[in-house]
Amino acid sequence: DTGVSQDPRHKITKRGQNVTFRCDPISEHNRLYWYRQTLGQGPEFLTYFQNEAQLEKSRLLSDRFSAERPKGSFSTLEIQRTEQGDSAMYLCASSTQGGEQFFGPGTRLTVL
Amino acid sequence: AQTVTQSQPEMSVQEAETVTLSCTYDTSESDYYLFWYKQPPSRQMILVIRQEAYKQQNATENRFSVNFQKAAKSFSLKISDSQLGDAAMYFCAPDSGAGSYQLTFGKGTKLSVIP
Repeated sequence: DTGVSQDPRHKITKRGQNVTFRCDPISEHNRLYWYRQTLGQGPEFLTYFQNEAQLEKSRLLSDRFSAERPKGSFSTLEIQRTEQGDSAMYLCASSTQGGEQFFGPGTRLTVL
Repeated sequence: AQTVTQSQPEMSVQEAETVTLSCTYDTSESDYYLFWYKQPPSRQMILVIRQEAYKQQNATENRFSVNFQKAAKSFSLKISDSQLGDAAMYFCAPDSGAGSYQLTFGKGTKLSVIP
């Protein structure tokens, strides 16, 4: 296994467009996390899944954001009607239950 | 909500010397984990070291060790024999406990290693 992968690595979009990011976790990991990191800050928690169940969502996750993990494997994060303030690095991490989180390389979103 | 404070935005260390990065946090949980992550420039986050709050013994991982003071809610990272490859952003991150394992990150400390 090569670790957590994310696609795309970079996304440039115009304000108002919808974007979707994908995360493929380490295969035996049942937990999957999404974080957002803006320039000069540490990552901020958005949401996490245990298998296919979304167990927790941050207040940062507005109704324009939705995340899914339909079969308990890969996950998608969709942002509808993007705004300039959505520009950030979106990080995915996975873990076993009680294990440390392994991070992917991130998707850098730029909203023009 | 948890708060994590890393009071040193930037630090520098001479190669082969020792440096300590500080972190304080606030939590109401008694059982949780704490982590230090490293983020090299334009590269992904890597786990450096992990500490379980119920363990009194400080964690050690090769050249990296922590000083965990549970009552003071302090969790500092010591890097010994610093190497050029240690240059990175370092983030302190306690989890939320209670089985959630959600991480709260500090703003980070940028470590430079001087040859």
